[in-house]
Formats: sequence, C-alpha cells, structure tokens
Amino acid sequence: ETGVTQSPTHLIKTRGQQVTLRCSSQSGHNTVSWYQQALGQGPQFIFQYYREEENGRGNFPPRFSGLQFPNYSSELNVNALELDDSALYLCASSLFRDGTDTQYFGPGTRLTVL
Amino acid sequence: DAKTTQPPSMDCAEGRAANLPCNHSTISGNEYVYWYRQIHSQGPQYIIHGLKNNETNEMASLIITEDRKSSTLILPHATLRDTAVYYCIVRVPYSGGGADGLTFGKGTHLIIQP
Repeated sequence: ETGVTQSPTHLIKTRGQQVTLRCSSQSGHNTVSWYQQALGQGPQFIFQYYREEENGRGNFPPRFSGLQFPNYSSELNVNALELDDSALYLCASSLFRDGTDTQYFGPGTRLTVL
Repeated sequence: DAKTTQPPSMDCAEGRAANLPCNHSTISGNEYVYWYRQIHSQGPQYIIHGLKNNETNEMASLIITEDRKSSTLILPHATLRDTAVYYCIVRVPYSGGGADGLTFGKGTHLIIQP
C-alpha cells in the first residue's frame, strides 16, 4: 500500500508569484485535505476535496485554490504569494470506512517566500 | 468540534510507559477521539482513535473515561524516537467528505530522556 506523497519537498518563491503543490493520495483513498503549518504552530485546515469538488474550507482567502483529479491526486495553488505564506504545506488523504475517516498525512512541502 | 486541553510538555524516561492526558469535557456523543504525533518538520502521524471503548494497536493504547470527558494515550515502552508533539483531536467523521478538517491545538511536547 502506497502512502501519501507530496512534491516538491522544498520550494522558494518571491512575493507576488504563484505556486502549485502536488499530492498523491494513499491507495484507495478518495478524499484529500490540505493544511498549512507555520513555524511553531499546529497545522491549520485549508480545504478538502471529495469527488473532485471542494467540500469544505477553513479560514483562508480565495487566492488559495485547489483541484482534485479523477485518480484522487490533488493540487494546491496559491496566487499572489505573501511573506506569511511561508510554511509547511501538508496533504492528507482519507476514506470513510468502518465508521471513521482517519486522515493520513504526507511528508509536506516546505515553501519559503522571499 | 469539541475543544481539547493538553499539557504543553512532558518528560518520560526511556523504557517507561508514557501517559499523555487529554481533556475534552465538551465532547458530544458522536465525536471520536483521535491522536496524532508530529516529529520535527515531518507530517503528522496517525496513532490511534476511539469512540468510547478502550483501544489498542501496535503503537499505543487509548483509554477513554466512562463519561468520555477525558482520555489518556499510553506508549507502553517509550523510546527516544517517540520524542514528538502529540495532538489529541475530537471530531465527527464524515461519510461524504467532511465540511471541516482536523483542528490541531498546541499539543503536548513529549521528551523521552535517555
């Protein structure tokens, strides 16, 4: 069983640029969630995708957007990057089974905005 | 989702059992208790979850009080590799993709001493 993978591992961008982060879900999982983790903080929920549609969103502006593909992989896009967007971006996949939808996380993408 | 309270830090000697408490006094009847841990700069790792019965897996045991207002995660024989931030989360699982994600608090920084 393949776990959640994310690419790239690290990324450096400048303010105002756009970035795309990628996530491959664990085999058999149909739901993908994205989180942002600033240094020293716990992860914060950005949004979730299920059946290729955004199914829930945290307190993040519209310049954070995403996609889910038919194979359940996903992208996170961030436009007009700001310095505060520097963080570890985490992807988690899940499948509702046996009464629960446990989320399994990937290793994350470290984004630095200069 | 209900809020949780955890001690900010704990120490435990290597080889001893580590007992991590979590208070969730406002938990509702259909909310599960989930535990994750995060080793520095890695993605959170799922440990265990439960509704009202005690649970055990290869990583840990979860003890939930009868009134469900608190729980304890037990690592039976702690090793140095168990040093991490441990998060206790309560939430309702969703069958069709959830409207919200996991809400991470500050967690407990568990330090295993040699």
